[in-house]
Amino acid sequence: NAGVMQNPRHLVRRRGQEARLRCSPMKGHSHVYWYRQLPEEGLKFMVYLQKENIIDESGMPKERFSAEFPKEGPSILRIQQVVRGDSAAYFCASSPPRETGIMFFGPGTRLTVL
Amino acid sequence: AQKITQTQPGMFVQEKEAVTLDCTYDTSDPSYGLFWYKQPSSGEMIFLIYQGSYDQQNATEGRYSLNFQKARKSANLVISSSQLGYSAMYFCAMREKGNNDMRFGAGTRLTVKP
Repeated sequence: NAGVMQNPRHLVRRRGQEARLRCSPMKGHSHVYWYRQLPEEGLKFMVYLQKENIIDESGMPKERFSAEFPKEGPSILRIQQVVRGDSAAYFCASSPPRETGIMFFGPGTRLTVL
Repeated sequence: AQKITQTQPGMFVQEKEAVTLDCTYDTSDPSYGLFWYKQPSSGEMIFLIYQGSYDQQNATEGRYSLNFQKARKSANLVISSSQLGYSAMYFCAMREKGNNDMRFGAGTRLTVKP
């Protein structure tokens, strides 16, 4: 029973390039969340998705960031024209369709922008 | 607005001793869940324990227990008999019913000494 999968684990991009981060939720989980963690800080909510729907993107920067969770395939967090301030660990979590359900996190993608 | 406070940036404990990590929260919602996660140096977020706001008993999971004091809005994590492998960052988190995100505290870095 695989956990939440994220890839790549490490991603290096130059300023201005695009970053694509992938997340496959746990089997049976239909809710996906993306969080960002800056060094020595807690996790900050970015976006919550269900299949083919963005439910809440209140934590997502208005520009350059987008997320999707298509009917088939993993959830994608896309960052266009990356800047140094985007360097962080990006975690994906999934939970079963129940409120206050436990979130299980993936191993994270560490993005470094040069 | 939700708020999670962890007042201990760092804690030290001797191996095999017990330790309590503090967490207080602020919410006006009567229905919520409280969570603790562990983040070792490898970076992944590991779910430890969950307490529902209506649960009568304190949650326990192996050496972890959650000291839930609802009137004080505190959800301290108690680790009995600390092991060397327990050295990590520990995050307290809360999720209100009907809220899509889980809010995290700033974390406590626990170091277990031999």
